[in-house]
Amino acid sequence: EVQLVESGGGLVQPGGSLRLSCAASGFTFSNYWMTWVRQAPGKGLEWVANIKRDAYEKYYVDSVKGRFTISRDNAKNSLYLQMSSLRAEDTAVYYCAAGGQYYVYWGQGTLVTVSS
Amino acid sequence: EIVLTQSPGTLSLSPGERATLSCRASQSVGSSYLAWYQQKPGQAPRLLIYGASSRATGIPDRFSGSGSGTDFTLTISRLEPEDFAVYCCQQYGSSPFTFGPGTKVDLK
Repeated sequence: EVQLVESGGGLVQPGGSLRLSCAASGFTFSNYWMTWVRQAPGKGLEWVANIKRDAYEKYYVDSVKGRFTISRDNAKNSLYLQMSSLRAEDTAVYYCAAGGQYYVYWGQGTLVTVSS
Repeated sequence: EIVLTQSPGTLSLSPGERATLSCRASQSVGSSYLAWYQQKPGQAPRLLIYGASSRATGIPDRFSGSGSGTDFTLTISRLEPEDFAVYCCQQYGSSPFTFGPGTKVDLK
């Protein structure tokens, strides 16, 4: 059974940092581009960042460039998102998803709330 | 950035009826780089269609996708009770990949 399990979300003050993790199982993680997608409360989905199978290519939406860093550890079947200089508008459920263009597998998401 | 517009915002139908959902792009997404997802409250999205018309693994054949360029359609031929949900389209022809705002299919 394919599983993607996110963790690391929580309440953080504006300007703070968080590191999200996503543990993958049930498929060959190293064969897939991986992606972070977020969904603000009551809003639509927004692509945040993705990373190539070998981690040599990484892409970000403009609004998070310079603040967020995507990474992966294929030996641990894990995906990460280091978030810094967090803003209120970063408040969202963050999903990890398998795929670089369209997303075949999704986790259940982890909620990040940026508030003082 | 390609902006996706979906219509209608809400579609109120009964089980057994046909649902036709539209997704329009502000510019061509090229070679049909368009996907459709289903999302239920509190759940992650589920991939239904990719490449504008290819069903994802395990998706029933009552779901079909069509279109190219800037105009795309998701059709559910006969609504089942489990199909009442939000449906959103996503283009992956041009970075940044973008999603539409969604169409809610609810019970009439």
